[in-house]
Amino acid sequence: QVQLVQSGAEVKKPGSSVKVSCKASGGTFSSYTISWVRQAPGQGLEWMGRIIPILGIANYAQKFQGRVTITADKSTSTAYMELSSLRSEDTAVYYCARASSSSGMDVWGKGTTVTVSS
Amino acid sequence: SYELTQPPSVSVSPGQTARITCSGDALPKQYAYWYQQKPGQAPVLVIYKDSERPSGIPERFSGSSSGTTVTLTISGVQAEDEADYYCQSADSSGTHVVFGGGTKLTVL
Repeated sequence: QVQLVQSGAEVKKPGSSVKVSCKASGGTFSSYTISWVRQAPGQGLEWMGRIIPILGIANYAQKFQGRVTITADKSTSTAYMELSSLRSEDTAVYYCARASSSSGMDVWGKGTTVTVSS
Repeated sequence: SYELTQPPSVSVSPGQTARITCSGDALPKQYAYWYQQKPGQAPVLVIYKDSERPSGIPERFSGSSSGTTVTLTISGVQAEDEADYYCQSADSSGTHVVFGGGTKLTVL
């Protein structure tokens, strides 16, 4: 059974960048997509973007266009999400999730807490 | 941008039926998915492709679709079902994924 293992918590200064990793353990990405979803404290789920690892093609939510970059390394079955120009409103838990059109987001990482504070 | 609309909260007594709706203009074209999230935990998929149930999800969870509205139904609600529920779909082109605002299910 594939598990998604995310990198540890981060504390960042406003204006800096953060890069969060998501490694498939016990399997590969295969033909799935990897989505990144964030959740600010006390708020709902917010989709940021996704990548098709075998193709290396990513697309992003309009809100994050220009500020987020999602990449994947097929050789290590690891996906990355980099968010730049951080502000306090970016303080959130960031999740990666495996998805397909036939199954939905069926496997989720445990989340990475990113705190933006001066 | 495209939005999915859910009621903020639903309350039911144990053993009763809970229905959570999700409305969006593209739902006749795009599948809907439902996720359950308990405090401090990652979301869990409970319904996919409008009405399919993943293995391991109790039979009391079901989904349906009618026009621009999809519904998650939980029959015989149990205390352990108290959680936030999110619908998810895509815009009409399928390019962008979107989540509803979430519904807090309270078991009285």
